[in-house]
Amino acid sequence: QVHLVESGGGVVQPGRSLRLSCAASGFTFSTYILHWVRQAPGKGLEWVAVISSDASNKYYADSVKGRFTISRDNSNNTLYLQMNSLRAEDTAVYYCARESWSGYFYFDYWGQGTQVTVSS
Amino acid sequence: DIQMTQSPSSLSASLGDRVTITCRASQSISNYLNWYQQKAGKAPDLLIYAASSLQSGVPSRFSGSGSGTHFTLTISVLQPEDFATYYCQQSYSTPRTFGQGTKVEIK
Repeated sequence: QVHLVESGGGVVQPGRSLRLSCAASGFTFSTYILHWVRQAPGKGLEWVAVISSDASNKYYADSVKGRFTISRDNSNNTLYLQMNSLRAEDTAVYYCARESWSGYFYFDYWGQGTQVTVSS
Repeated sequence: DIQMTQSPSSLSASLGDRVTITCRASQSISNYLNWYQQKAGKAPDLLIYAASSLQSGVPSRFSGSGSGTHFTLTISVLQPEDFATYYCQQSYSTPRTFGQGTKVEIK
């Protein structure tokens, strides 16, 4: 059974850093593309970043480019999101999601989310 | 970036109603269109992928159609557990953009 479990969220002051983790189980982690998606309070879903299965390709939303870094450890089945220079507008629930492919791409499994609050 | 626009932003419906939600892409995305359901405080769940393919375990009252730039999600007979927010998402290119969501509420 596929499981994705995020951790590392919390309350942090503006300008500080936080690292989120997403522990995966139940599938061959190293063969899947993985994403981070966030949701600000009362708002919709916002795509944040993606990393290829071998970590050779990474892409970011313009809103986080240069501040956030996505990475993965395929030997430990864990996805990461390093968030630096945090701003109030980064406050959100952060989800990791697995992207599957069967001719078309889709996010078939999501974690439960971890809350990040940026506040002084 | 491809922009995704859903309509309406919210709707009120009664049990047993037929509900249709529309999603438009700012450029052609072929059939690279997914629909997700999100209930309050929960992660999204995949309902439909490739515009019209039903994800395993999803009830057959959900259906999707469309291609190019215009897509629809239909719930044929609204059930109590269907009151939620629905999002479309394009997977034609990166970034994988979402629509702004459609909240389905009880009338």
